Amino acid sequence: TQLLEQSPQFLSIQEGENLTVYCNSSSVFSSLQWYRQEPGEGPVLLVTVVTGGEVKKLKRLTFQFGDARKDSSLHITAAQPGDTGLYLCAGLRQGGKLIFGQGTELSVKP
Amino acid sequence: GAVVSQHPSWVICKSGTSVKIECRSLDFQATTMFWYRQFPKQSLMLMATSNEGSKATYEQGVEKDKFLINHASLTLSTLTVTSAHPEDSSFYICSARNLGTSGYNEQFFGPGTRLTVL
Repeated sequence: TQLLEQSPQFLSIQEGENLTVYCNSSSVFSSLQWYRQEPGEGPVLLVTVVTGGEVKKLKRLTFQFGDARKDSSLHITAAQPGDTGLYLCAGLRQGGKLIFGQGTELSVKP
Repeated sequence: GAVVSQHPSWVICKSGTSVKIECRSLDFQATTMFWYRQFPKQSLMLMATSNEGSKATYEQGVEKDKFLINHASLTLSTLTVTSAHPEDSSFYICSARNLGTSGYNEQFFGPGTRLTVL
């Protein structure tokens, strides 16, 4: 059973377009993290959201945590080829365990 | 920032041999480290939680006798894949937990180890 449903799993867009990635669960998480991973490397933490309804911005990336702390979204404005990569959401469970979504493979074409 | 290293970055071995992968937290102490496995085009799957000075806790479906974990110090955890077989070929990633300045736990990931079993 996948506790975190991430969508879409694949996304190919043109440079300059906007996109949103969704991460949904029926479970409540104490916090939720977003990572970006490039091929052959480990995931790199982008942001941690903790409070329900919280919105965090990181340059062209906007992260939102749902009011009930069950879902989150990542919105990228004016995507660039450098944004290409695997985006992963992960919810924090008891004992410090991270439960990962399936990931979103983003390709931004110039 | 918190840095986690892994060694080796890639390894090729023959079927039936054992392979040890090291995970080190370079600039902080980590009482807890986690080991993940990632197959191509897939997400990370947690294999086990490694606690310094105690036995590792394995996720359901992960064979503890096959994937031996030793967390001997606050900066080092090792994963040994015993009697490796081709189906064990994967990307193995560790993470170390650090209590961030914001007050909640953050995990920092190593660069991963690509294991290929022939």
